[in-house]
Amino acid sequence: DTGVSQDPRHKITKRGQNVTFRCDPISEHNRLYWYRQTLGQGPEFLTYFQNEAQLEKSRLLSDRFSAERPKGSFSTLEIQRTEQGDSAMYLCASRGGDTQYFGPGTRLTVL
Amino acid sequence: GQNIDQPTEMTATEGAIVQINCTYQTSGFNGLFWYQQHAGEAPTFLSYNVLDGLEEKGRFSSFLSRSKGYSYLLLKELQMKDSASYLCAVRSTDSWGKLQFGAGTQVVVTP
Repeated sequence: DTGVSQDPRHKITKRGQNVTFRCDPISEHNRLYWYRQTLGQGPEFLTYFQNEAQLEKSRLLSDRFSAERPKGSFSTLEIQRTEQGDSAMYLCASRGGDTQYFGPGTRLTVL
Repeated sequence: GQNIDQPTEMTATEGAIVQINCTYQTSGFNGLFWYQQHAGEAPTFLSYNVLDGLEEKGRFSSFLSRSKGYSYLLLKELQMKDSASYLCAVRSTDSWGKLQFGAGTQVVVTP
């Protein structure tokens, strides 16, 4: 049983650098979500894909953020010109039926 | 918009029962979810309610009253491993299934 996987698990970068995260959803799930979580808060929605189509984006997703799901399987989230405020856990979830299943997350630290 | 409120922290003794309340306001309710999250890990799905009433799953039960905008998660026969954050999340009809999370309730189980 393969769950949602994310890579890398941890990323430390300097302010101004670009970073890219990858999410591999559960194979039969065509719906994929990205969330961001900061300490002491619940996850906040960033964006949603159905197959390869990006159907919803949060206003949290500034111009520096871009997400893709080129073949409707894995997805990537890129942050350009990182800022210290981008430091957070980035969570990916894929949906089967009514339930979203989360990956282990990528913890980003921007120095 | 949505407002989701839950207590910040609760403490209970091993073997006891704890009830975590969640109140919400939403423009188009389409389901309420409870997730468990251990420190540094991803949220794991516990329960889903879309109709009024009680859903029981082993030591965990979840209740929903749509007219009151209210849910609770009941944890029975508490174990030390139940020490975690419990997240209440609401799905609304005016989105592609994204979840709006509360800030989480930190449950501390003491010996």
